[in-house]
Amino acid sequence: DSGVTQTPKHLITATGQRVTLRCSPRSGDLSVYWYQQSLDQGLQFLIQYYNGEERAKGNILERFSAQQFPDLHSELNLSSLELGDSALYFCASSVFVGATDTQYFGPGTRLTVL
Amino acid sequence: AQSVTQLDSQVPVFEEAPVELRCNYSSSVSVYLFWYVQYPNQGLQLLLKYLSGSTLVKGINGFEAEFNKSQTSFHLRKPSVHISDTAEYFCAVSDRAYNTDKLIFGTGTRLQVFP
Repeated sequence: DSGVTQTPKHLITATGQRVTLRCSPRSGDLSVYWYQQSLDQGLQFLIQYYNGEERAKGNILERFSAQQFPDLHSELNLSSLELGDSALYFCASSVFVGATDTQYFGPGTRLTVL
Repeated sequence: AQSVTQLDSQVPVFEEAPVELRCNYSSSVSVYLFWYVQYPNQGLQLLLKYLSGSTLVKGINGFEAEFNKSQTSFHLRKPSVHISDTAEYFCAVSDRAYNTDKLIFGTGTRLQVFP
């Protein structure tokens, strides 16, 4: 158990809908990352927040947005869902910023878009 | 742009045999390198990381990796595997030059250990 929690574990929804994925980082971790794992794209970095502020952006679609709240939990919002958005979404956290800091991954949320 | 290549999508091996999972990266500057393991229906767990110093890095569960700058490789090895090592293994890189925290992952290698 990494100490990173993600809810829900599974999510099944229809095209065009909007969903919110939630992540609680390890106690004391200030940095939160979101990654997407799909069969065709592999594991891809989406976005990083540090202490409530956006720090880095990756290949995140405009239909996707995220935020980190004062209690440091983070939410990833996916809207106008398409079939291709079906994937495993991971959240990771680290104490501070910097690539030397180990990223601890949560168990993921499996999103299925029908 | 950085990239990571894991040449083998699947590696079958018998229990107690040695194994090597290959990883090559493409970057013209200094990098940090990582190996993560993903057990079925679980998140990723860090096995080991290379930041600087000794090119031979020891990790958890008896795994080790060697950083080879001239060959831009970071192969993962274990001298004797167990059934419980069956999992997906991901190599990842982070580019020091851009001071970025994000990880660029390879496509993964599925290690299947047979009794």
